[in-house]
Amino acid sequence: DSGVTQTPKHLITATGQRVTLRCSPRSGDLSVYWYQQSLDQGLQFLIHYYNGEERAKGNILERFSAQQFPDLHSELNLSSLELGDSALYFCASSDPLYGYTFGSGTRLTVV
Amino acid sequence: QQQVKQSPQSLIVQKGGISIINCAYENTAFDYFPWYQQFPGKGPALLIAIRPDVSEKKEGRFTISFNKSAKQFSLHIMDSQPGDSATYFCAASMRITGGGNKLTFGTGTQLKVEL
Repeated sequence: DSGVTQTPKHLITATGQRVTLRCSPRSGDLSVYWYQQSLDQGLQFLIHYYNGEERAKGNILERFSAQQFPDLHSELNLSSLELGDSALYFCASSDPLYGYTFGSGTRLTVV
Repeated sequence: QQQVKQSPQSLIVQKGGISIINCAYENTAFDYFPWYQQFPGKGPALLIAIRPDVSEKKEGRFTISFNKSAKQFSLHIMDSQPGDSATYFCAASMRITGGGNKLTFGTGTQLKVEL
């Protein structure tokens, strides 16, 4: 157990739908990062939140959004889903000494 | 400037052999270089990491060699075992103004250790 909790582990949904992925960072970590991993794209950085504020954006589509709540958990919202959004979505938290710790991911399948 | 180049894309090694994965970076602002190991269906897990003021770090069978002047670093897995078969990612981290770190990943190396 890495200490970073992601739910749900698996998600199957239809095209056009909207889903929410949830992440709880490791205790004491203020940062949450979201990554998308697909077979042909590797680990793609989506967005970073630090203590509730957005800090950096990567290759995140406009249909995707995220937020970090006062208790530091984060949610990634994916809307108007397309087949190509099927992927593993990971969140990670970090501290200055040990860097990133990843959760076990959410496997999203869009049918 | 933000890229981390990793090679090879895939690697097959015999049990007991040495696995070597190489990475190179451009941005000298990177100040932390971790390696991650990922098994299918699992999240990447931190394997070993090094800071640029050190040329080598060893933990068990895993060694990072770091060449600051060449901006290159590599992972050596000694006495490779079938259980080491996984995807390995190098990465480079830099601090972000206002807090947090930004981690840039290499493209990954699929290692297969054969009996």
